[in-house]
Amino acid sequence: DGGITQSPKYLFRKEGQNVTLSCEQNLNHDAMYWYRQDPGQGLRLIYYSQIVNDFQKGDIAEGYSVSREKKESFPLTVTSAQKNPTAFYLCASSPRDRGRGETQYFGPGTRLLVL
Amino acid sequence: GQQVMQIPQYQHVQEGEDFTTYCNSSTTLSNIQWYKQRPGGHPVFLIQLVKSGEVKKQKRLTFQFGEAKKNSSLHITATQTTDVGTYFCAGPNSGYSTLTFGKGTMLLVSP
Repeated sequence: DGGITQSPKYLFRKEGQNVTLSCEQNLNHDAMYWYRQDPGQGLRLIYYSQIVNDFQKGDIAEGYSVSREKKESFPLTVTSAQKNPTAFYLCASSPRDRGRGETQYFGPGTRLLVL
Repeated sequence: GQQVMQIPQYQHVQEGEDFTTYCNSSTTLSNIQWYKQRPGGHPVFLIQLVKSGEVKKQKRLTFQFGEAKKNSSLHITATQTTDVGTYFCAGPNSGYSTLTFGKGTMLLVSP
């Protein structure tokens, strides 16, 4: 059963703690993406990776970090430097995007609440 | 940088009424995609339009790509409560190998 999984669905953390969100895909896609969604803000790109061991900053990368050691996995760490981390985080994957705009397939998302 | 704008931001209709959302890009697009996100869910791909002036239909949904390939629309005929959600358009951001998403139009349908 192919798809993208994100865990956990809900995550609670205390302010000042780093937290890592998981994203795994078995679609054999080269590219993976992380988005943040706040009410009324649409989807804002945090980081993306078109190939293993390479990733690029998106529009709102400050306070976040990623790694891409395996094709199937693209974990996102929300660091204590992120001023407003409470949000809905979406991971997506696609075939490698060479500028043509590949269709993206999204995971179910993780809702992070920082208290 | 490239911008993709959608209007309206929000629309509330009675079941059976029609609905249209519009998408405008600051640059010419090679294609445009539409996604739907149900409340509490994640965006799901609906369709991709590639050709200038292209029109595609999915049951009660009609998608159009403008002649200049800078705008698009999604029209829903006779809305149903199952149409509730946020509809996003997205276009290639060719300089960065990503998609640029509009902020979406939230549709609420009252029975």
